[in-house]
Amino acid sequence: AIRITQSPSSLSASTGDRVTITCRASQGISSYLAWYQQKPGKAPKLLIYAASTLQSGVPSRFSGSGSGTDFTLTISCLQSEDFATYYCQQYYSYPSLTFGGGTKVEIK
Amino acid sequence: QVQLVQSGAEVKKPGASVKVSCKASGYTFTSYYMHWVRQAPGQGLEWMGIINPSGGSTSYAQKFQGRVTMTRDTSTSTVYMELSSLRSEDTAVYYCARDSCTNGVCGFIGDWGQGTLVTVSS
Repeated sequence: AIRITQSPSSLSASTGDRVTITCRASQGISSYLAWYQQKPGKAPKLLIYAASTLQSGVPSRFSGSGSGTDFTLTISCLQSEDFATYYCQQYYSYPSLTFGGGTKVEIK
Repeated sequence: QVQLVQSGAEVKKPGASVKVSCKASGYTFTSYYMHWVRQAPGQGLEWMGIINPSGGSTSYAQKFQGRVTMTRDTSTSTVYMELSSLRSEDTAVYYCARDSCTNGVCGFIGDWGQGTLVTVSS
């Protein structure tokens, strides 16, 4: 099974900061990677798919990059509503889908 | 708009089974595969499996093989997830979640139910 290692597990940042979250796959997954945002008590929300395609309605301060085994989610200018937990998910090995462990973005 | 409305919270004893429902509306039910994903308290997301509402075919994560059954009722646009032989580690919020692609599988998820908390406790 493909393992996804997400880092860091948590980070503290201030409004306006640039934030970067990384996911590494245990084997190449081409661009079959998605990113989600989850707020406490809520279901996840799709931000990015195909490693870099922004889901409709998602602000442009979110961007994704990478292919193969290494991927990055960047929030260019952190807003108050962006404090949440972020997950990556590979869908290369469908029907076996796997999520990263999550990154909690907290207020510094 | 797409809506996925799940059944309410459940409390079960170890060894019992639970069946969670997910009623879909706002789109053609049989055109989108449905995933089930769970999240233990304070933990990450775990994919459980997928069902094709059109033909009823399923694929389950190896971890849940033999314990999980996903079914659907096209007359009511509802999918079900039944998990048997419950243990305390199955305490989690269970989500139904619609695949993003029509008439096939993308593997990423655009719409989620509100979640159903299943608590397993003696």
